Amino acid sequence: DGGITQSPKYLFRKEGQNVTLSCEQNLNHDAMYWYRQDPGQGLRLIYYSQIVNDFQKGDIAEGYSVSREKKESFPLTVTSAQKNPTAFYLCASSFQRDTEAFFGQGTRLTVV
Amino acid sequence: RKEVEQDPGPFNVPEGATVAFNCTYSNSASQSFFWYRQDCRKEPKLLMSVYSSGNEDGRFTAQLNRASQYISLLIRDSKLSDSATYLCVASNYGGSQGNLIFGKGTKLSVKP
Repeated sequence: DGGITQSPKYLFRKEGQNVTLSCEQNLNHDAMYWYRQDPGQGLRLIYYSQIVNDFQKGDIAEGYSVSREKKESFPLTVTSAQKNPTAFYLCASSFQRDTEAFFGQGTRLTVV
Repeated sequence: RKEVEQDPGPFNVPEGATVAFNCTYSNSASQSFFWYRQDCRKEPKLLMSVYSSGNEDGRFTAQLNRASQYISLLIRDSKLSDSATYLCVASNYGGSQGNLIFGKGTKLSVKP
């Protein structure tokens, strides 16, 4: 089955720890995205990548880092510098820019 | 700043009602438009792409008005299962916001 997979579904992190969220797609999509969603809020773009080995900051990149070493994979690291990391994180991919994006099931991150 | 604006609602309608959502976009260079549906605590799922001629999929009709820069979604014969948040999306040429700009969503609640 083709799709986009995020793991884990739930993640708990202690303050001061870095944590990496996984995102893998087998749709052969060039573009991949990370969004953050807070309760009752819209999606805010963290980072996006249009091609392997290239990525761009979105609106709220501070405290986050990404890599795009393979077309299929776009992991997001939430660093200890992110002041309020508790949120719902969504990864998406699209065939190319301006085409419809498909989302993974999301990762709920809670800082304890 | 390129934005997509939506009425947050909530829209509370009885089963069988017709409901319409509008959204406006600020980037006149946007080429692609979409409607997504997001259930509570789930990922957004593509509902429809919006074509310049308008398009229909069963009970759902999407329209695009480029001159006024707005997109609409009409839902006929509402079902209880239509209860969700509907996200309007426009592509973004240039800028630092990534390829797709999401509105904050309009919440629909269909009651028996």
